[in-house]
Amino acid sequence: AAGVIQSPRHLIKEKRETATLKCYPIPRHDTVYWYQQGPGQDPQFLISFYEKMQSDKGSIPDRFSAQQFSDYHSELNMSSLELGDSALYFCASSSRGHPFTDTQYFGPGTRLTVL
Amino acid sequence: KQEVTQIPAALSVPEGENLVLNCSFTDSAIYNLQWFRQDPGKGLTSLLLIQSSQREQTSGRLNASLDKSSGRSTLYIAASQPGDSATYLCAAQEAATSGSRLTFGEGTQLTVNP
Repeated sequence: AAGVIQSPRHLIKEKRETATLKCYPIPRHDTVYWYQQGPGQDPQFLISFYEKMQSDKGSIPDRFSAQQFSDYHSELNMSSLELGDSALYFCASSSRGHPFTDTQYFGPGTRLTVL
Repeated sequence: KQEVTQIPAALSVPEGENLVLNCSFTDSAIYNLQWFRQDPGKGLTSLLLIQSSQREQTSGRLNASLDKSSGRSTLYIAASQPGDSATYLCAAQEAATSGSRLTFGEGTQLTVNP
């Protein structure tokens, strides 16, 4: 079965640089979520989109922005990167339509390292 | 603000043992509760989702229960195997609107010894 696709899988950036993470949801899923997981921590919610509109917003820094496009893929843009942004970034997708019942399916993550 | 707690933080058992992982949440007005498995440095694999109107869900050797009124969920693993070794996370989804966030617990790190 098709899963959530994230690219790139690994990314190394310098401080103050910009990064763009991409997420391709499971086909027919209309909702996309972004989570950040620091080393040894549980995932923290950043932001979500339903039908291309922002749905919920968590502790996402002002330096970060995201959007969902007409084909339902999403991009997380991160500017002025800081050392503390080093983390595993997960995208998840879901659909309320049968048979998905809101289950959030997670991608493999993008490991961002800021030097 | 929803807070999710998991006990124990780590658990080591011999192969074949039945075990229970615990999850508690502070705000009982949840929409659903989801259990995940995470291998080191890997993504999250959804194991079970329990809607707020349900009491339990089963998948193979896994059984998850939900008691909204007491703010608790348990994940029961029968006949544990070394391949079950991983971190298990529970997460509560609060609102019924599409796109509503998951709030995660800190996880239980399970080791099943051959």
